[in-house]
Amino acid sequence: NAGVTQTPKFRVLKTGQSMTLLCAQDMNHEYMYWYRQDPGMGLRLIHYSVGEGTTAKGEVPDGYNVSRLKKQNFLLGLESAAPSQTSVYFCASGKPGSSYEQYFGPGTRLTVT
Amino acid sequence: KQEVTQIPAALSVPEGENLVLNCSFTDSAIYNLQWFRQDPGKGLTSLLLIQSSQREQTSGRLNASLDKSSGRSTLYIAASQPGDSATYLCAVRGLDTGRRALTFGSGTRLQVQP
Repeated sequence: NAGVTQTPKFRVLKTGQSMTLLCAQDMNHEYMYWYRQDPGMGLRLIHYSVGEGTTAKGEVPDGYNVSRLKKQNFLLGLESAAPSQTSVYFCASGKPGSSYEQYFGPGTRLTVT
Repeated sequence: KQEVTQIPAALSVPEGENLVLNCSFTDSAIYNLQWFRQDPGKGLTSLLLIQSSQREQTSGRLNASLDKSSGRSTLYIAASQPGDSATYLCAVRGLDTGRRALTFGSGTRLQVQP
């Protein structure tokens, strides 16, 4: 039981390049989330999904797209990377229940030059 | 819009001290509140989760309290150890049934000196 995994762990992009971050969970959770964490700030919600085939915007969605084609995977795409997207990206999953507790992946450190 | 503030931003204490980390939030209409630990370059580890109907939760040397009406939570760490050195994040979960996402504070960076 690996929990929540993220691929890749590190990446350096040039401005204008595109990439996809992959999040996978093996806990059969319905809910999945993408957050970003910038220095000195808490995590901020980018996009989320409440089930397979559904996605919705969070607080800071501009410049990102997401897809949830399979229940266990949640992809975050950057179509044209910008230096402002340099950040650490965390994926989380959770299931409906009494607490909606979320379980976090180890993060992806992205640098855009 | 919910805002979460954590004070202090950084704290350094000698080993063995008892300490309190503070968290405040602007909207008292929350579902629950979680405290996380984050080690450098690592992900988040959940420490304690307090439902909105609860006043406190305890796990080992950790005790978290919640005063929803005043928008405050505290994390009490007893007999601190160097291994407790990390950043501690407070997060509140809203009542929005559509997403149940967390709003995070910016954290308190704790260093426990041996």
